[in-house]
Amino acid sequence: GAVVSQHPSRVICKSGTSVKIECRSLDFQATTMFWYRQFPKKSLMLMATSNEGSKATYEQGVEKDKFLINHASLTLSTLTVTSAHPEDSSFYICSAPHRGGFEKLFFGSGTQLSVL
Amino acid sequence: GENVEQHPSTLSVQEGDSAVIKCTYSDSASNYFPWYKQELGKGPQLIIDIRSNVGEKKDQRIAVTLNKTAKHFSLHITETQPEDSAVYFCAASETEKLTFGTGTRLTIIP
Repeated sequence: GAVVSQHPSRVICKSGTSVKIECRSLDFQATTMFWYRQFPKKSLMLMATSNEGSKATYEQGVEKDKFLINHASLTLSTLTVTSAHPEDSSFYICSAPHRGGFEKLFFGSGTQLSVL
Repeated sequence: GENVEQHPSTLSVQEGDSAVIKCTYSDSASNYFPWYKQELGKGPQLIIDIRSNVGEKKDQRIAVTLNKTAKHFSLHITETQPEDSAVYFCAASETEKLTFGTGTRLTIIP
């Protein structure tokens, strides 16, 4: 299957700092990527849709200024958690659709963010 | 919007036995139903999916059935093995924006 690479896998930061998470489609191009947030033992909640060359689309209740998304190329999307606080601690996962007939979503390995 | 319910939330199965996880969805426009396996600390991995023009799909020990009239679909794992232990998520969508179920923690007992 297609490969989506996500880095870093784990990050610990101090409250008030910003953290950038990268999501790359390694063997295919993705004009759209999705960012999810997952709390322990919970399901995946869609945060935003990243669009190459245009602004991201955020789900209701997600702060645009807190979670900055940039889709700089057809293979790279970044999520920046700005001025992070302990309540932002979570598992963040990206995904990209691989258009191999059906639009299957392939997920990155996730980033565990811990804000102290 | 779409709402997906998944049952059971936890499931323990003796190694070699079968496991069944069920999901229901609310939006009749949904036409794509994937299943994901997530291991601890990792992203979800697509294990099987089905489109609404098909009633059943099988891949080795894994099968998915879809009842579009009743709006429910199920994951069947036969001859379970310890490496099948993980959290399984169903999802439904009409587009690339998936709505996920709440997950099932499957434990295979050796």
